[in-house]
Amino acid sequence: SQKIEQNSEALNIQEGKTATLTCNYTNYSPAYLQWYRQDPGRGPVFLLLIRENEKEKRKERLKVTFDTTLKQSLFHITASQPADSATYLCALEMNRDDKIIFGKGTRLHILP
Amino acid sequence: EPEVTQTPSHQVTQMGQEVILRCVPISNHLYFYWYRQILGQKVEFLVSFYNNEISEKSEIFDDQFSVERPDGSNFTLKIRSTKLEDSAMYFCASTSGSTNTQYFGPGTRLTVL
Repeated sequence: SQKIEQNSEALNIQEGKTATLTCNYTNYSPAYLQWYRQDPGRGPVFLLLIRENEKEKRKERLKVTFDTTLKQSLFHITASQPADSATYLCALEMNRDDKIIFGKGTRLHILP
Repeated sequence: EPEVTQTPSHQVTQMGQEVILRCVPISNHLYFYWYRQILGQKVEFLVSFYNNEISEKSEIFDDQFSVERPDGSNFTLKIRSTKLEDSAMYFCASTSGSTNTQYFGPGTRLTVL
């Protein structure tokens, strides 16, 4: 079955720097790879989606890359702010409107 | 902006009791999902629902679980006889089908004593 590894459980980054989070998966590539933000006690909030035929997607200070050869996605937050502190979840959607398979998440702390 | 709502926010129940968790998905959405998250663990898929029937369920979703869309707006998850290990946050999600974005509700924290 599909496994997702987000290889940092927690990451501390100085305010203003770029935070880079990694997601690796096994088996075959999903049709869609997504990133969510989750704050304590809250539901996941969708951030970005990238399709298997796309290499990179941007939204404001966020950038996602997707390498189906390496089976890896990188998630970048540029000019990081303390308000970006949260858990970031990598998620795979194997086919459209399918269930989402989540990784365990990376807890990001932006230090002022 | 429309959002998914869930009630109650916190439910405490005794082991063996039945619970019903309620969700109101976004109004024009067609696909509905339940996920759960045990404290400190990852979000796990339970069941998906489309066109008034279950389209997929995980191995967690055994005979103790059921879902229903009793009217045009509510989507419920019933656990017939709760166990201690059912204690978790339960999230409802919905999507329109024209985009891939699943919108999640704020969750119901279920505590089974």
